[in-house]
Amino acid sequence: AQSVTQLDSQVPVFEEAPVELRCNYSSSVSVYLFWYVQYPNQGLQLLLKYLSGSTLVKGINGFEAEFNKSQTSFHLRKPSVHISDTAEYFCAVSESGSARQLTFGSGTQLTVLP
Amino acid sequence: SQTIHQWPATLVQPVGSPLSLECTVEGTSNPNLYWYRQAAGRGLQLLFYSVGIGQISSEVPQNLSASRPQDRQFILSSKKLLLSDSGFYLCAWSTRTLEAFFGQGTRLTVV
Repeated sequence: AQSVTQLDSQVPVFEEAPVELRCNYSSSVSVYLFWYVQYPNQGLQLLLKYLSGSTLVKGINGFEAEFNKSQTSFHLRKPSVHISDTAEYFCAVSESGSARQLTFGSGTQLTVLP
Repeated sequence: SQTIHQWPATLVQPVGSPLSLECTVEGTSNPNLYWYRQAAGRGLQLLFYSVGIGQISSEVPQNLSASRPQDRQFILSSKKLLLSDSGFYLCAWSTRTLEAFFGQGTRLTVV
């Protein structure tokens, strides 16, 4: 069975500083990987996804993530954060071909400080 | 383009009352449909998913149920709500193997 671990529940960072949100997964088969963002009292919005090909994936709002198969990781990065990036971020995994679809991590609250 | 509608946005219900949350999808056919629950300070828990009309898979045993009476309609129900049913409920749809698209959510408070 697939699982996702987000190692940090809270990440405070100052505005314009870089940030990395960590995500590790486990699965016995090939996977698709996703990062979602959730603003307060809203649904989830897709930031980026890895399906195949290049291991460095670029998404919206200046975020990028790198798939590392040997370390089973998919960490999310941004070189310079803004106040508006304050939100909860979820990593998710889907086993390719599975109708059960996504398994989510427990989320990381990113708080950007002025 | 595809859109997903979920309502109501907020709901306050007494313990023991029934529940019905509705979700509809437009602009796509035969989607996979999902109900998730997000408790305060916690991640997303998959409650039910459906790959077709009348086909419901339950992930967590509880007093909630789901139904899919039409291809693009997914309903979450309960006959008697518990305090522990409070949370943020999210409906989502997906194509066969790609990312899920979420509704705006329903904030349920059981009092």
